[in-house]
Amino acid sequence: DTAVSQTPKYLVTQMGNDKSIKCEQNLGHDTMYWYKQDSKKFLKIMFSYNNKELIINETVPNRFSPKSPDKAHLNLHINSLELGDSAVYFCASSQVPSSGRGRTDTQYFGPGTRLTVL
Amino acid sequence: QKEVEQDPGPLSVPEGAIVSLNCTYSNSAFQYFMWYRQYSRKGPELLMYTYSSGNKEDGRFTAQVDKSSKYISLFIRDSQPSDSATYLCAMYLSGGYNKLIFGAGTRLAVHP
Repeated sequence: DTAVSQTPKYLVTQMGNDKSIKCEQNLGHDTMYWYKQDSKKFLKIMFSYNNKELIINETVPNRFSPKSPDKAHLNLHINSLELGDSAVYFCASSQVPSSGRGRTDTQYFGPGTRLTVL
Repeated sequence: QKEVEQDPGPLSVPEGAIVSLNCTYSNSAFQYFMWYRQYSRKGPELLMYTYSSGNKEDGRFTAQVDKSSKYISLFIRDSQPSDSATYLCAMYLSGGYNKLIFGAGTRLAVHP
């Protein structure tokens, strides 16, 4: 009964390849996020979707493309992978978009996908 | 300068010690403050959520916010080996769709 799940857990691939990471949440939340955590543990938001609509789109290369087929899923597709893309990617969800209105916007994180680009 | 500064540690303490973890921030518009705990190879999980200056206590954990100094702290009393993890402070503005801004995280090791 995992709340936020991601697949795969580990992903090792060659430079130049295209790969996807999938995320699913069973919490009934309306908002989902993708974060990147680098080797120094710095966690930075990439995208956020609310009811399948993109609401936060940080300055990330356009090789990264999120897709939300429904409220419970948010996938991340990465084209032409580069060495610098190696990191842990976390998916998260919250009941409402993060706006500081209270515990309803608490973000629940998945276990992460460790991407290594060789 | 990063918006949120946090000493990455590592911090090593004996079991039973009082631990103090801190973050400073530069944007005085931040109003909501959180502490997340992240065990190795796991996703972050929310520990404490505070708004405005003052203290908030939850069991062995106390979160403190000093907006005048742009400084937040997390205190852990009677620390246990199970508290060994990375602690990330996080904060955001209010209103609209806002990004949660994280500190770099402090790695804590509590040894028996």
